[in-house]
Amino acid sequence: AAGVIQSPRHLIKEKRETATLKCYPIPRHDTVYWYQQGPGQDPQFLISFYEKMQSDKGSIPDRFSAQQFSDYHSELNMSSLELGDSALYFCASSLGQGLGEKLFFGSGTQLSVL
Amino acid sequence: AQSVAQPEDQVNVAEGNPLTVKCTYSVSGNPYLFWYVQYPNRGLQFLLKYITGDNLVKGSYGFEAEFNKSQTSFHLKKPSALVSDSALYFCAVRASYNNNDMRFGAGTRLTVKP
Repeated sequence: AAGVIQSPRHLIKEKRETATLKCYPIPRHDTVYWYQQGPGQDPQFLISFYEKMQSDKGSIPDRFSAQQFSDYHSELNMSSLELGDSALYFCASSLGQGLGEKLFFGSGTQLSVL
Repeated sequence: AQSVAQPEDQVNVAEGNPLTVKCTYSVSGNPYLFWYVQYPNRGLQFLLKYITGDNLVKGSYGFEAEFNKSQTSFHLKKPSALVSDSALYFCAVRASYNNNDMRFGAGTRLTVKP
């Protein structure tokens, strides 16, 4: 079965650079979520989209932006990278926004900022 | 805001013994509770959820969880642990007033020894 695809798997950047992370949800899933998981930390909710519109916003820095495109894939754009941005970034998708909907997670993008 | 607490960073059990991973929650209104498992270098995988109905919820891989409203708990259990159950387990909660912000606990590392 198709799963959530994230690219790239690994990304190395230097301070003040920009990065773009991509997420391809499970086919027919219309809701995408972005999470950030620091080393030894629990996943922190960043932002979510439903039907190409931002639906909820968590602890996403102003330096980051995201969008969901017409094919439902999503991109997380990160600018002016800081050392503290080094983390595993997960994308998840679900069918609808129902509170009982389970999230399907991708394998994540490991971002290292040097 | 909603939150969950996982009081144990680490749980060690012997293979074949029952296991319990603890979770307590805090939320206004009805909770929507989830358990996810994370294997090394992998995304989170859904195990089970409680929305309403029977307090004992059965999920994947023989896991189950018991919702206890009076104790605001949602402990994960398995009657007989396997070495392959060794992983990081996250409890998560959603609340009706904050639709897409699924809050995760800090995680509990389960180690099952042969």
